Amino acid sequence: AQKVTQAQTEISVVEKEDVTLDCVYETRDTTYYLFWYKQPPSGELVFLIRRNSFDEQNEISGRYSWNFQKSTSSFNFTITASQVVDSAVYFCALSEARTSGTYKYIFGTGTRLKVLA
Amino acid sequence: KAGVTQTPRYLIKTRGQQVTLSCSPISGHRSVSWYQQTPGQGLQFLFEYFSETQRNKGNFPGRFSGRQFSNSRSEMNVSTLELGDSALYLCASSLERDTEAFFGQGTRLTVV
Repeated sequence: AQKVTQAQTEISVVEKEDVTLDCVYETRDTTYYLFWYKQPPSGELVFLIRRNSFDEQNEISGRYSWNFQKSTSSFNFTITASQVVDSAVYFCALSEARTSGTYKYIFGTGTRLKVLA
Repeated sequence: KAGVTQTPRYLIKTRGQQVTLSCSPISGHRSVSWYQQTPGQGLQFLFEYFSETQRNKGNFPGRFSGRQFSNSRSEMNVSTLELGDSALYLCASSLERDTEAFFGQGTRLTVV
């Protein structure tokens, strides 16, 4: 069965610290997609990144970086030099490309990040 | 380019009533999905529509239904509301069925 685990419920850091949000997933499919979304207090889920199962290359986008390791079924997210505006709930999600063509997102429970000034 | 628009943003209903939520996807997006978010259950998939056809449904009772129109706009309906239906309902649209989804700000439903 597919599952996404975000073991860290809440993390507090001081501004300018680096922080890593963990994501571990389970799936039987060989083709799947992983995502990270940010949910600020306004409620909207903001898309951050999409990675397919065949692309294990790490990615960096400004202060954000992602480490995808199939061997450990992990897709971790690091924010470098955190800022107060990074405070939000972050969700990791899994989508499977089943042969039937249907898909849905399986979300983790989210990690609430608090960045203190 | 306009994002995903959900209306209304807030809604208060009484137990037993029914409610209809609306979602306008990003222009050109054909796939629309709905999710329910509650503190206890987190984000749960409700259903997905693609070109007016429901292609996938989550584990929710039949009181939850939806539809998609030819212009890709979607509505979801909840009949005989229960207190437990109080939640943030999020709509997401995507260009194709395996591309990233973009979410609206949600409709916060409170059932009293």
